[in-house]
Amino acid sequence: DTGVSQDPRHKITKRGQNVTFRCDPISEHNRLYWYRQTLGQGPEFLTYFQNEAQLEKSRLLSDRFSAERPKGSFSTLEIQRTEQGDSAMYLCASSSTRTSGSADTQYFGPGTRLTVL
Amino acid sequence: AQTVTQSQPEMSVQEAETVTLSCTYDTSENNYYLFWYKQPPSRQMILVIRQEAYKQQNATENRFSVNFQKAAKSFSLKISDSQLGDTAMYFCAFNDMRFGAGTRLTVKP
Repeated sequence: DTGVSQDPRHKITKRGQNVTFRCDPISEHNRLYWYRQTLGQGPEFLTYFQNEAQLEKSRLLSDRFSAERPKGSFSTLEIQRTEQGDSAMYLCASSSTRTSGSADTQYFGPGTRLTVL
Repeated sequence: AQTVTQSQPEMSVQEAETVTLSCTYDTSENNYYLFWYKQPPSRQMILVIRQEAYKQQNATENRFSVNFQKAAKSFSLKISDSQLGDTAMYFCAFNDMRFGAGTRLTVKP
């Protein structure tokens, strides 16, 4: 098991461009989460999936953000028409509810650092 | 909505000493999980310790222990025999989606 991976690790883009990030969770994990983290702050929840179903989406997430997990494995997060305020670290995490049946330990990826110029 | 509050933005401790990080939360649920995560500088976030609300016994993991006060909705983390490698941001989390703003801990030699 290689842990949670994210690609790319860094992305620099110009305002108005679209960007897409990928997350590969730990293979047996059924839950996958996306967070945004700005410098010196805690992770801010964006959305999460259980298998391929998107179960919750933060009210803070504008319509420019969309996430998918089509086969219940990897996930993508797309930001359309990026703005300078989107500059942040985007974290992915995965967990399993199969043992606890509820919230369980999350395993985080290294994050994708987005810079919007 | 559940909220998580960490009232200490920064703390420091001398190597080998003990430090306690505070966390309070707000919820109307009776069964839930609480977590402390550690994020070292430029490294991935990892779990330090977890507590299930229905368990009255405080969780311990080697040098890390918690003081869980359910009625007071308090969940503090105690680090004993602090080591230089404990220098990191520490985040308290409620269930699997609500994180506090973090406490930056510096262990001084």
